[in-house]
Amino acid sequence: NAGVTQTPKFRVLKTGQSMTLLCAQDMNHEYMYWYRQDPGMGLRLIHYSVGEGTTAKGEVPDGYNVSRLKKQNFLLGLESAAPSQTSVYFCASSYVWGTEAFFGQGTRLTVV
Amino acid sequence: TQLLEQSPQFLSIQEGENLTVYCNSSSVFSSLQWYRQEPGEGPVLLVTVVTGGEVKKLKRLTFQFGDARKDSSLHITAAQPGDTGLYLCAGGANAGGTSYGKLTFGQGTILTVHP
Repeated sequence: NAGVTQTPKFRVLKTGQSMTLLCAQDMNHEYMYWYRQDPGMGLRLIHYSVGEGTTAKGEVPDGYNVSRLKKQNFLLGLESAAPSQTSVYFCASSYVWGTEAFFGQGTRLTVV
Repeated sequence: TQLLEQSPQFLSIQEGENLTVYCNSSSVFSSLQWYRQEPGEGPVLLVTVVTGGEVKKLKRLTFQFGDARKDSSLHITAAQPGDTGLYLCAGGANAGGTSYGKLTFGQGTILTVHP
């Protein structure tokens, strides 16, 4: 059972470069989330989706875009990476509102 | 914006001691969850509480949801080194609101239990 899979697991970018983080879940979950985790900041919500074709902004959406073209995939894009986007990124999914969120193992991104 | 404030941010105790972690907000949450995260891993759910005043027990862990559904606490009895980790509370937005589906986390409490 794969659950939630994030790729890549590690990445180093130069300032100004772009990249896409992929999150895939095989549990037929409706809800998907992208968070970033920085020391002392817990998990901050970047964007989320309540179903295929829908996206919504979280607390820290600036500098990121997302797409949910297929129910099982949620993509997070950085168009022009900045050092402030150095962080660990977590994707999560849940079946319906208020139920357990299952997390991927994270992507450690460093922007130099 | 729905904010969750956790306290304390750091907790370092000896094996066998009791502890309580608090999660407070000015907003009402329809549900509140507690997660535990180990280094290099994603958070894993411990419990979900949905009813004001609800108390749930999970072995040595006791979770309580405030009557007004704005706050919660996690109490650990006789802590063990295996309890060491990052504890996070998370609140689910009210159904039907503009933030429907949003899951907001507190900043976490880093617990270290020394043998």
